[in-house]
Amino acid sequence: AVQMTQSPSSLSASVGDRVTITCRASQVIGNDLGWYQQKPGKAPKLLIYGASTLQSGVPSRFSGSGSGTEFTLTINTLQPDDFATYYCLQDYNSPWTFGQGTKVEVK
Amino acid sequence: EVQLVESGGGLVQPGGSLRLSCAASAFTFTSYGLTWVRQPPGRGLEWLAYIGSSSNGISYADSVKGRFTVARDDAKTSLYLQMNSLRVEDTAVYYCARASLLTVAGTYYHGLDVWGQGTTVTVS
Repeated sequence: AVQMTQSPSSLSASVGDRVTITCRASQVIGNDLGWYQQKPGKAPKLLIYGASTLQSGVPSRFSGSGSGTEFTLTINTLQPDDFATYYCLQDYNSPWTFGQGTKVEVK
Repeated sequence: EVQLVESGGGLVQPGGSLRLSCAASAFTFTSYGLTWVRQPPGRGLEWLAYIGSSSNGISYADSVKGRFTVARDDAKTSLYLQMNSLRVEDTAVYYCARASLLTVAGTYYHGLDVWGQGTTVTVS
């Protein structure tokens, strides 16, 4: 199975900061990667698909980049609503696999 | 409103069985693949299973292969997860999610774009 290593596991940031989260795949997965945001007690929400395409309705401060084995989620100008946990998910190979998650906390 | 609603969670003893359901509404059910994802208390997300449209293509995580079975009933616009031989470590919130095929410059990518609210399974 493709292993997804996500880093950092947590980070502290302030409103207005730029935040970067990385996922590394144990093998090449093309662009078959999505990013999800989850708030406590809620279902995840799709932010990015195809590694870099913004899902409809998602603010443009979110962006994704990368291809192959290394991928990045960037949040520009962090807003209060962005404090949450973020996950990557590869669907290049079955079984699909999530990264371990990154909790973005208030500094 | 496009919606997925899970049901069937509860308390079960180790070794027992449970069947989860996920009722879909307000979209063309037959056109979409569907997945199950779970989240143990205080932990991250774990992908469990995928079933394609018309049940074309079924796959499972190694942790549940041989114990869990995913199925769909297109007439009832419902997705199911039959869980047998349950273990304490299967305790989690279980989500169903729609696996849309989203296009980028002519290439299709999956995105889990609609999620249910989750149903809690406790094995104890």
